[in-house]
Amino acid sequence: DQQVKQNSPSLSVQEGRISILNCDYTNSMFDYFLWYKKYPAEGPTFLISISSIKDKNEDGRFTVFLNKSAKHLSLHIVPSQPGDSAVYFCAASVWSSNTGKLIFGQGTTLQVKP
Amino acid sequence: SQTIHQWPATLVQPVGSPLSLECTVEGTSNPNLYWYRQAAGRGLQLLFYSVGIGQISSEVPQNLSASRPQDRQFILSSKKLLLSDSGFYLCAWSVAKGFIYEQYFGPGTRLTVT
Repeated sequence: DQQVKQNSPSLSVQEGRISILNCDYTNSMFDYFLWYKKYPAEGPTFLISISSIKDKNEDGRFTVFLNKSAKHLSLHIVPSQPGDSAVYFCAASVWSSNTGKLIFGQGTTLQVKP
Repeated sequence: SQTIHQWPATLVQPVGSPLSLECTVEGTSNPNLYWYRQAAGRGLQLLFYSVGIGQISSEVPQNLSASRPQDRQFILSSKKLLLSDSGFYLCAWSVAKGFIYEQYFGPGTRLTVT
């Protein structure tokens, strides 16, 4: 049972346009979410997070939106740059577990074309 | 600032041989620590986590074990490797920020079992 799903394996956008990466979850106990960026043969890099008490969090070119009723979150990258080309993972967790364990989606490969 | 180290970066081991991967964190105390594996073309799977010295929780039954002999040291081991143990192994640590545990990853170890 996959609790966090990224249904789009890949996404291609033009440089300067908006990239929208989507993530769905099934476990209503999840109360915070994170996005990571990963290059091949490297560890994931933390990008942005959001708590379930918010519906939006913004950090520079990155904005995460959370729709709790739909159990859906999305990462917007504006404007997209060629250096953003990587695999993006969303992850979810339960704060009250006090463990910080993350459940990851399968990832979406973003290609930004110059 | 905090840093996380993993070694070795790459490892090729024959089936049936032992394994020891080490992870250390600097610049923080009493972190939660994690081991993940990314199989080829797959997402990140949590293998073990630790909330303190000597406290290890296993997430999936497998041929591997973990130990935390010191506060900032996390070791992944196996007595006899299987072909299915090949993958990219990632160590991570987390820190609580508000109602979120932000998790940060090491550079990873590429393990190939032959």
